[in-house]
Amino acid sequence: GESVGLHLPTLSVQEGDNSIINCAYSNSASDYFIWYKQESGKGPQFIIDIRSNMDKRQGQRVTVLLNKTVKHLSLQIAATQPGDSAVYFCAEKGPSGTYKYIFGTGTRLKVLA
Amino acid sequence: NAGVMQNPRHLVRRRGQEARLRCSPMKGHSHVYWYRQLPEEGLKFMVYLQKENIIDESGMPKERFSAEFPKEGPSILRIQQVVRGDSAAYFCASSPRSGEETQYFGPGTRLLVL
Repeated sequence: GESVGLHLPTLSVQEGDNSIINCAYSNSASDYFIWYKQESGKGPQFIIDIRSNMDKRQGQRVTVLLNKTVKHLSLQIAATQPGDSAVYFCAEKGPSGTYKYIFGTGTRLKVLA
Repeated sequence: NAGVMQNPRHLVRRRGQEARLRCSPMKGHSHVYWYRQLPEEGLKFMVYLQKENIIDESGMPKERFSAEFPKEGPSILRIQQVVRGDSAAYFCASSPRSGEETQYFGPGTRLLVL
């Protein structure tokens, strides 16, 4: 069945270093992917998205890479800050006409001072 | 611009009682999605609604759970005769239309069943 999984449940990074959070998806027909950030006690906050016709997209301090060959998605955070500490989820959406987002379990990012 | 609003933020119920969770989508959004999140887990889709219509409720338990999105007012997720296993965070998301648009999430309602 469809699933979205993450390789690392917890990632500890030194402040100022770059962070890389990975995600594997299984539905090769998925055409839209989102990274969400969830802080404790809050709802998921949109970070960045990417469509399947792209392999890279950059935002402010964040970059999402999509490798459709191996069905892999990653989120790179440059110069990680304490405020980046949160749980990060990737979500995939099926082909046009579907609307369900399938979320992964999440990766907890801990920024060390 | 107000984001997605949910209330109450925290809800405590005893087993057998009813829980009503409310969601007001972002202004201009007519599509609402409900998700459930257990501790240390990802979000699981429950139901997708448009105004006055349930489009997909495949993720919602067949019994005790219902959802509506009336023409006027917020979307309601209703859980009857709650059990301890219903304890979770329930998130609502909205989008202007279905399909390609990003879903924006509310702060969630944390339901605790005693």
